[in-house]
Parts: sequence; C-alpha cells; structure tokens
Amino acid sequence: GGIITQTPKFLIGQEGQKLTLKCQQNFNHDTMYWYRQDSGKGLRLIYYSITENDLQKGDLSEGYDASREKKSSFSLTVTSAQKNEMAVFLCASSIDNSQNTLYFGAGTRLSVL
Amino acid sequence: GDSVTQKEGLVTLTEGLPVMLNCTYQTIYSNAFLFWYVHYLNESPRLLLKSSTDNKRTEHQGFHATLHKSSSSFHLQKSSAQLSDSALYYCALMNQGGSAKLIFGEGTKLTVSS
Repeated sequence: GGIITQTPKFLIGQEGQKLTLKCQQNFNHDTMYWYRQDSGKGLRLIYYSITENDLQKGDLSEGYDASREKKSSFSLTVTSAQKNEMAVFLCASSIDNSQNTLYFGAGTRLSVL
Repeated sequence: GDSVTQKEGLVTLTEGLPVMLNCTYQTIYSNAFLFWYVHYLNESPRLLLKSSTDNKRTEHQGFHATLHKSSSSFHLQKSSAQLSDSALYYCALMNQGGSAKLIFGEGTKLTVSS
C-alpha cells in the first residue's frame, strides 16, 4: 500500500503572509488534488493536476497557487492569508483521471492570526 | 456546472435505527460516477461506495446505495445504525467529460447514540 503525507500538520500564519502546504504520495498515482474543508461547505476543489507539470483550477482557486513539481509531489500556496481564517486542507491522489478512488492525506490545519 | 446537494447537514440517530442520507446531483453528462466518502474523526476521508450503473444496488460494509438517473439521486442507506457509524459522509460526483474533477457535496454529519 501507499501513503499520502501532508506537511505541516498544523500551520499558523499571520494576515497577509504567503504560506505553502506540501503533499507527497508514493502510490505512483498520476492525478493529485487539493481540497479545502470547511464545516457546512463540504470539500471544495482548489486545484488539481492530471499528470506531472499539469495544473487545473478548481472552483476555489482564487487566492491560491499550486505546483506539481514532480509526479509524487503537489504543493499549494496561500498567496495572502486572510485574518481569522481557519480551515483544513486535504490533499488526495488517484491512479489516473478516470473514475477512480481518491486516497486522502491526513490534512493540514490552517489558522491565521 | 456540476453540483451535488446533501440536504441534511446533521443527522442524529439512536443505535439500531435505519440510516438514510440524501444525495442528489446535477450534471449535463449522461454518464456520471457517484461516490460516497466517509470521514471518521482523526482519520483521512476514504471511499465507501461508488457507482455509475443506473438502478443497480451497490453495497459495502453494511451500507448500500442505488444510483437513480431518473431522479439524479444516490442516497446512502443502512438497515441498522451502529455507534461506530458516527462520521462525516460526503457524496461526490465525477462526470465522464474526462476532466478528473470530483465535486463533493456539503457533507452530512451522522451522530449515532445509544
């Protein structure tokens, strides 16, 4: 089996700060995703990548950048943290871009002071 | 665009009672894949069920769901709730437009008490 590792687990930032979240997978999966989890709003797609060097915007991409540096890693940058923002960011991967199972990481919990 | 609706944000049940969590969806594509993911506290979300076949019941770990394209629904059911079923349940949609985009609903928090 494989694993998805998200770092850091907890991230505390200041308003206006640029913050980077990292995700690594050893499944050798082609497709990777970043979702934001907010209570009552479900999982909202920020960015996804079908293969290495590909980048696709989700419905919530404004305020974020992403980078698929290599097949195994997918990072997400909050370009300017919003005051009092609190959310969990979940990374996921799947074998390819067809209707396959997503495997999720444990999440990065963000708090902005 | 595509969307998924889960009407109930919170469902509270007594152990032993049946579970039904609602999911409806909208898509312009005739071939849609529907999924149920479960997120237990302190764990990662994981797949519970998936289906793309109209009117065929899919089962896993005591839960079942049937995709009804005529009503655009994929409700999750279980005959008897257990305390360990307490979790956040997400319905999700991926269409066959080839975009790999998986759209989740708002989630339903199921709490089962004794």
